[in-house]
Amino acid sequence: EPEVTQTPSHQVTQMGQEVILRCVPISNHLYFYWYRQILGQKVEFLVSFYNNEISEKSEIFDDRFSVERPDGSNFTLKIRSTKLEDSAMYFCASSELVGGPDYGYTFGSGTRLTVV
Amino acid sequence: AQTVTQSQPEMSVQEAETVTLSCTYDTSESNYYLFWYKQPPSRQMILVIRQEAYKQQNATENRFSVNFQKAAKSFSLKISDSQLGDTAMYFCAIGDNDMRFGAGTRLTVKP
Repeated sequence: EPEVTQTPSHQVTQMGQEVILRCVPISNHLYFYWYRQILGQKVEFLVSFYNNEISEKSEIFDDRFSVERPDGSNFTLKIRSTKLEDSAMYFCASSELVGGPDYGYTFGSGTRLTVV
Repeated sequence: AQTVTQSQPEMSVQEAETVTLSCTYDTSESNYYLFWYKQPPSRQMILVIRQEAYKQQNATENRFSVNFQKAAKSFSLKISDSQLGDTAMYFCAIGDNDMRFGAGTRLTVKP
């Protein structure tokens, strides 16, 4: 079964530093997403990406956040000037074309980001 | 905007019994998708079941089935013959290009 792969599984960073979270979506998927989940809380939408540009973003996705698909396979989330409140589990997801017979999001196993 | 409400923060069920998790939603879209995701202690998000809003027939996947009431904007999940491995957080979600999740229901299956 195809998987969405996220690396690293756990990232610890100093407040104020930049982090890059990496994801390899399923190869034939066209839509890519980042979500975050603060421990014990709901899963929150950050951003969706299609055709090499952002389709939607939430209010959480401020100007410290950026996404990129640098090489056609990886999908990265960069957070600059990290804050303590950025500590969360970050999930990458991908999906095929909306309306396809097997449409649905496939999530990666997440990256736990700890800002200290 | 699309919103999802799960009114049961925690539920428990005896092994082999049936449990129903509630979900209501709001959307202005005429066609949309609804999902239930399971998040076990490993914290991975696992798709349990999917329903397309234009399909009247309720989706089923083995022991999992939904009761989709479009007019009432209700999408409940029924788990039959509950197993210990069903213990997890369950999230209801709506959307297509930007899925929105409910707050989750923590289900515990007791032996």
